[in-house]
Amino acid sequence: DAGVTQSPTHLIKTRGQHVTLRCSPISGHKSVSWYQQVLGQGPQFIFQYYEKEERGRGNFPDRFSARQFPNYSSELNVNALLLGDSALYLCASSLAGEGLDTIYFGEGSWLTVV
Amino acid sequence: GIQVEQSPPDLILQEGANSTLRCNFSDSVNNLQWFHQNPWGQLINLFYIPSGTKQNGRLSATTVATERYSLLYISSSQTTDSGVYFCAAETLDNDMRFGAGTRLTVKP
Repeated sequence: DAGVTQSPTHLIKTRGQHVTLRCSPISGHKSVSWYQQVLGQGPQFIFQYYEKEERGRGNFPDRFSARQFPNYSSELNVNALLLGDSALYLCASSLAGEGLDTIYFGEGSWLTVV
Repeated sequence: GIQVEQSPPDLILQEGANSTLRCNFSDSVNNLQWFHQNPWGQLINLFYIPSGTKQNGRLSATTVATERYSLLYISSSQTTDSGVYFCAAETLDNDMRFGAGTRLTVKP
C-alpha cells in the first residue's frame, strides 16, 4: 500500500507569489494534517481536516489556507509568499483524526522562497 | 497552548551504548507519539504511546501520563539510529505540538 504522498517534492518561488502543495493520504485514512518545519526546529501544526471539514488550526496567518476533497486528498495554499515561508511542509494522515490513533507523515515538500 | 520540552537537545554516543531521551508536556494529552526524522526529512513513526510501555526491538518507550512525561530508550545503539528524535503531544482540542527534538549522533 502506498504511504502518504506529497507533491511537489521541491519547488522555488519568488516573494509575493502563491503556492499550492498537494497531499494524498494513506488509503482508508480520513484525516489529513499539515505542518511547517523550519530548519533546526520541530514541525509546527498548521491545519487538520477530517471528512472535508477543518478540525484544527494552528497559529498561522490567513495567507495560509487548506481544503480537503471528497477523496480525502488535501491541498495547502500559501499566498503572498514571504522569505520566512521557506520550509519543509509536511502532510500527515490518520484514520480518524481524534488523537486516538497513529499519524503517518509523507516525505514533505521543500519550499524555497527567494 | 501545551508546551512540549525535550532533553537533551544533543546527544553523542559510541556505537553499542544505551540512551534515554525525555519528553515533558505541560497539559493532559490524547495522543503522545515519538518520531525519528532521517537526514532526508522523512518522519518515521516509532511509537504511539499516550500511556504505558511499548517495545519494538532495541527501542522502547514509556509514558507516565499522570506525571506528564515520556521516555524513549535506545539500547545497543547503531550508526543508523542517528538523526533527530521528536515527541509530539496532541491535546483534547486536536492541537498537536512537537518538541524541539533531540539530535542523536552515534559514532562507529
